[in-house]
Amino acid sequence: AQTVTQSQPEMSVQEAETVTLSCTYDTSESDYYLFWYKQPPSRQMILVIRQEAYKQQNATENRFSVNFQKAAKSFSLKISDSQLGDAAMFLCAYRSVNNAGNMLTFGGGTRLMVKP
Amino acid sequence: DGGITQSPKYLFRKEGQNVTLSCEQNLNHDAMYWYRQDPGQGLRLIYYSQIVNDFQKGDIAEGYSVSREKKESFPLTVTSAQKNPTAFYLCASRRQGGYTFGSGTRLTVV
Repeated sequence: AQTVTQSQPEMSVQEAETVTLSCTYDTSESDYYLFWYKQPPSRQMILVIRQEAYKQQNATENRFSVNFQKAAKSFSLKISDSQLGDAAMFLCAYRSVNNAGNMLTFGGGTRLMVKP
Repeated sequence: DGGITQSPKYLFRKEGQNVTLSCEQNLNHDAMYWYRQDPGQGLRLIYYSQIVNDFQKGDIAEGYSVSREKKESFPLTVTSAQKNPTAFYLCASRRQGGYTFGSGTRLTVV
């Protein structure tokens, strides 16, 4: 079974600065998808970014970008120009291509605080 | 607008009582999922369903039951066998293109 680990339970960043959230995963598969979700205090899940393992190019979405290191099984999220609205729980998730259920496996989350 | 509706938003129950959490979607999605989230933690899969009248256990199915009689609905029952039911419960659905999550139900057992 796949596992996803987020080693930083909490992180803080100064407004306008850059922060990187780490995520590692364990899998024997070669093809899969990786996701970062944002969960603000409202608890609504918001997709931040998605990466397909067969694509070497790192995904980018505005101020959010990932550093996908397939050999190291690492999928970190970089948030540039942090804003107060970025304060949230960030969840890393994995989905197997071969998984008939297409379920997501989540890490434990990193709570990001943004200081004004 | 299409989406997933979870109700109620907050639910209080006495210990030993069964309780059913509602999840309804009008997205015409085939797959639906139930996740549990404990404070400061990630999501863990309880049950999922790929089609009507079929569902599979997830990682933490003990003490829970589901049904999928209609494509739109995937209710979760938290039974008295669930030892620590107080948690936040999230429902999700999926079709090609991505997942949609509900806004969750906070269950507190007293």
